[in-house]
Amino acid sequence: EADIYQTPRYLVIGTGKKITLECSQTMGHDKMYWYQQDPGMELHLIHYSYGVNSTEKGDLSSESTVSRIRTEHFPLTLESARPSHTSQYLCASSEYRVVPRPDTQYFGPGTRLTVL
Amino acid sequence: SQELEQSPQSLIVQEGKNLTINCTSSKTLYGLYWYKQKYGEGLIFLMMLQKGGEEKSHEKITAKLDEKKQQSSLHITASQPSHAGIYLCGAVPQGGSEKLVFGKGTKLTVNP
Repeated sequence: EADIYQTPRYLVIGTGKKITLECSQTMGHDKMYWYQQDPGMELHLIHYSYGVNSTEKGDLSSESTVSRIRTEHFPLTLESARPSHTSQYLCASSEYRVVPRPDTQYFGPGTRLTVL
Repeated sequence: SQELEQSPQSLIVQEGKNLTINCTSSKTLYGLYWYKQKYGEGLIFLMMLQKGGEEKSHEKITAKLDEKKQQSSLHITASQPSHAGIYLCGAVPQGGSEKLVFGKGTKLTVNP
């Protein structure tokens, strides 16, 4: 079982609040990811990182930002939450493989965010 | 862009029955992943297939990737209530990428 953690698991906040979703992994993985998943919908990649000080935007436009100061930690921040941000946010990590073989991504339990 | 179609969208079976879930890609795949998700929770990695014709098994779950590497099936033998959940396929496009593309999932219900 993967050692990747997300806090909080559930969050209900009001519009305009600043929030940070935490994600940590103890596997020493270089690559980390944030996905957004709405009910009944597929996952969409919103941010990813190759390693410390690396951050990239994913396929889905997002008003959130991320940082990667430590290998094990990849927090996601919303400066001003809106009801449209209500969703499930999933963090994942994978090894960085030099050989031509796909990385396996391991997922955290998710944070379900509700913005009122 | 890479698209993955999963079928069926939902499936209700009686405990003990066998079932198959399919995942079809619009393009040749570099790698194909199967995950299981309990409602409101994270994804649990099941299996990864990379070679055409490859087949892997874990307990009562078997996944296959066709020779053309555009279609995969997940087969559960003698289903149990513990198999219930949402099964998602994820794929890496040909050429490799860190960006997994996911299907919309198949919701499996197993009635005791």
